[in-house]
Amino acid sequence: GQQLNQSPQSMFIQEGEDVSMNCTSSSIFNTWLWYKQDPGEGPVLLIALYKAGELTSNGRLTAQFGITRKDSFLNISASIPSDVGIYFCAGTGMDSSYKLIFGSGTRLLVRP
Amino acid sequence: DAGVTQSPTHLIKTRGQQVTLRCSPKSGHDTVSWYQQALGQGPQFIFQYYEEEERQRGNFPDRFSGHQFPNYSSELNVNALLLGDSALYLCASSGAGTGQETQYFGPGTRLLVL
Repeated sequence: GQQLNQSPQSMFIQEGEDVSMNCTSSSIFNTWLWYKQDPGEGPVLLIALYKAGELTSNGRLTAQFGITRKDSFLNISASIPSDVGIYFCAGTGMDSSYKLIFGSGTRLLVRP
Repeated sequence: DAGVTQSPTHLIKTRGQQVTLRCSPKSGHDTVSWYQQALGQGPQFIFQYYEEEERQRGNFPDRFSGHQFPNYSSELNVNALLLGDSALYLCASSGAGTGQETQYFGPGTRLLVL
């Protein structure tokens, strides 16, 4: 089945630094979404992307739908302690617009 | 505007028992999807309900079943529980207004099977 490769697996950053993470697939995706999950809670939707090349911002977060439709990235600018958490990419592939396929997550840890 | 709600928050069962988890979708949404999230992994799609019918199913055995009610709320039932069923069970809702692909998640039900 379709899989998403998410990197990096984890990262430490200094408060105020910019962060970048990405997600790749060997097959085409029709939708890309980025979620943040805090311990013991459900994923919270950050950004949804629907068209190849689309670049969307949500406050300090910016995400792009790759033009090949096989990748997406998420950038966080000027990180703060509350950015700590696990970030997941997810998408819908060619076989279904109903089920989301998730990456394995990027754990973000911030040094204050 | 109430978001997706799930109950119970935590549950402990023993092997062989049956469990029912409940979900109410976000206001205005008519579609409910269920996911299983094992510790340290991303959520895995179980199935999706729309118009009270199972619309699509992931790679889960028949022990996992569901139901959607006329008010769009949904239940997930798991029979003959195994130790490996221990996980966070997430419900997500979506609707025509925001697109079926744009799914909003509830807080989850943490199930522990002993």
